[in-house]
Amino acid sequence: AQSVAQPEDQVNVAEGNPLTVKCTYSVSGNPYLFWYVQYPNRGLQFLLKYITGDNLVKGSYGFEAEFNKSQTSFHLKKPSALVSDSALYFCAGGGATNKLIFGTGTLLAVQP
Amino acid sequence: DTGVSQNPRHKITKRGQNVTFRCDPISEHNRLYWYRQTLGQGPEFLTYFQNEAQLEKSRLLSDRFSAERPKGSFSTLEIQRTEQGDSAMYLCASSSGTPNSPLHFGNGTRLTVT
Repeated sequence: AQSVAQPEDQVNVAEGNPLTVKCTYSVSGNPYLFWYVQYPNRGLQFLLKYITGDNLVKGSYGFEAEFNKSQTSFHLKKPSALVSDSALYFCAGGGATNKLIFGTGTLLAVQP
Repeated sequence: DTGVSQNPRHKITKRGQNVTFRCDPISEHNRLYWYRQTLGQGPEFLTYFQNEAQLEKSRLLSDRFSAERPKGSFSTLEIQRTEQGDSAMYLCASSSGTPNSPLHFGNGTRLTVT
């Protein structure tokens, strides 16, 4: 069965420091992986996706994600965090139907 | 703004009542998805449409839930005889249907069953 795991409920980081939000996946075949961000009382906003190709994917708002096949991971990264990055982040995996399976989310808190 | 639109934003209803939510997808998108999200959890897939055809339903979708997309444009999700456990955020998303194109989400309908 396809699954996505986010091992951290919350990540705390100081503004200006690099951030990493972790995600591991278990899918059959080629993985299709996504990151979304959710602000309070809002829907999810697409950040970036991995299909095939380069293992480092660049997305919106300065975020990037590193795909690692041997570790079955797709961690979200940003070189310098902003207070406005504070939100709930979801990793998701999907297939040809675009039916995404979401992780449980990681709350990112960036302290000024 | 031509994003995904959901109405109403909030719905409070008494247990046992029926409720209906509406989703208007991005106009050129032929795939439409319904998800449910409870506090502290990621969105859970409920069902999806390719044009007007409902292609998959989750086992989470009990017989009290029904979704339609009659003309391949907007969709409705109806919950009959609501229960307190139905309280959640109901999210709609659409996509172009090209392989692994991202889902675009609406802001959701928050349902509270008292």
